[in-house]
Amino acid sequence: AQSVTQPDIHITVSEGASLELRCNYSYGATPYLFWYVQSPGQGLQLLLKYFSGDTLVQGIKGFEAEFKRSQSSFNLRKPSVHWSDAAEYFCAVGAAAGRRALTFGSGTRLQVQP
Amino acid sequence: DAGVIQSPRHEVTEMGQEVTLRCKPISGHDYLFWYRQTMMRGLELLIYFNNNVPIDDSGMPEDRFSAKMPNASFSTLKIQPSEPRDSAVYFCASSRSGGRTDTQYFGPGTRLTVL
Repeated sequence: AQSVTQPDIHITVSEGASLELRCNYSYGATPYLFWYVQSPGQGLQLLLKYFSGDTLVQGIKGFEAEFKRSQSSFNLRKPSVHWSDAAEYFCAVGAAAGRRALTFGSGTRLQVQP
Repeated sequence: DAGVIQSPRHEVTEMGQEVTLRCKPISGHDYLFWYRQTMMRGLELLIYFNNNVPIDDSGMPEDRFSAKMPNASFSTLKIQPSEPRDSAVYFCASSRSGGRTDTQYFGPGTRLTVL
C-alpha cells in the first residue's frame, strides 16, 4: 500500500528566509507525486507535480521540488518565503493506473514571521 | 473555465438529519473523487467514479454514507442519518484521464457540522 509521511507538523520561518518541507513516500513503483497548498478555509491548490523525467520540478508561486528515488523523498523548497505563503502544505502520491485516488500526508502548517 | 463547484459551502445540521452535499466537476473530466478532511484522520478518500460509475468505495465509512453520479456534470454525497462524528470538511475533486497526467483539481469544500 502506498503511504506518505510529512515529518514536520508545524514550521515557522521568517519572511525572506528559505524553506524546505519534507515528504517521504512509500510506493512499489515509480510514483506520481504532488504538492498541494491549502489556505485557511480554502480548497487545495496544486503547486507542482512529478510524473517522470527531470527530477527537479518547478511549480507556481516560486516553489520547486526534487524527486530523490534513493531517499524516497519529494521535498518542497522555496528560496525566499513571503508572508502570503503561510498555509498548510500537503504532499500526495498517486498511482499511474488502476486505483487513481491520491494518498495524502498529514500536512505541514507553515507560519511566516515578519 | 470554472473549477470544481461544491454546494453548500457550509452546512449545520442536527444529529439524525439527512445531509446532501453536491459537486459539479470540471467539464470534460471523467474522474470524480470525494474526500473527507478531519483533524484526526487528515485527508482520506471516500469514493471515486469514472465515467459516472463508482470504482472504489472502500473509504465510505458505513452504510449511512452513499454517493451517486447520475451524469457527467453532477454528483451527490448523502449522509443519512448524520452523526456528530461526521463533522468534517468534504472535498470533491475531478481529473481527466489520458496521456500521463492525472492531476486532481479540488473544489472549495463543504464544511459540515453535525450538532
